[in-house]
Amino acid sequence: GAVVSQHPSRVICKSGTSVKIECRSLDFQATTMFWYRQFPKQSLMLMATSNEGSKATYEQGVEKDKFLINHASLTLSTLTVTSAHPEDSSFYICSALSGASTDTQYFGPGTRLTVL
Amino acid sequence: SQKIEQNSEALNIQEGKTATLTCNYTNYSPAYLQWYRQDPGRGPVFLLLIRENEKEKRKERLKVTFDTTLKQSLFHITASQPADSATYLCARWGPGTASKLTFGTGTRLQVTL
Repeated sequence: GAVVSQHPSRVICKSGTSVKIECRSLDFQATTMFWYRQFPKQSLMLMATSNEGSKATYEQGVEKDKFLINHASLTLSTLTVTSAHPEDSSFYICSALSGASTDTQYFGPGTRLTVL
Repeated sequence: SQKIEQNSEALNIQEGKTATLTCNYTNYSPAYLQWYRQDPGRGPVFLLLIRENEKEKRKERLKVTFDTTLKQSLFHITASQPADSATYLCARWGPGTASKLTFGTGTRLQVTL
């Protein structure tokens, strides 16, 4: 149980285009989902927290107009990187909290974004 | 600032030995600490959670300790195997009721034959 999927697993796009990444909780309802970014040989950095049906809470320094987050249902959250640039190239990982267990996050497999 | 540090960037040990990884934190004491395993190009996988009122927790070959006086958690893998090679991350929850994890930088463990 407690499986989180991400799609796509990797994406390559041209500079200036937008990319959408999906995060799904497959066998539980996720009251809260988180989006992280991880650069090579660095740890995970939290970008934003999203609760179903409400606006996401962004961490300091993360541009909310550039990284659009939608948590439209209890099993799906999306991250859209708008007008992507090479410096946005990174490993994006989502995680989810279930209503049953509020102290353990279940992570997705990650999405490798490369912006040319 | 709130910091969580893992002292060793990399640790190399021989198969069969016990690997010990260290996690130190500053400022507030978290209600609990968590340990994750991350393989290259993959998301973290939850391993263990230890609460502030628990001194030690075990799961199969894994053992975690939590010393709130030293502000430190130790993560042990006994009888290590090459398959244990991965990056291990500690993370703390909070501060307070803030529902978010702050991760350490990770320790890359390499178990050799």
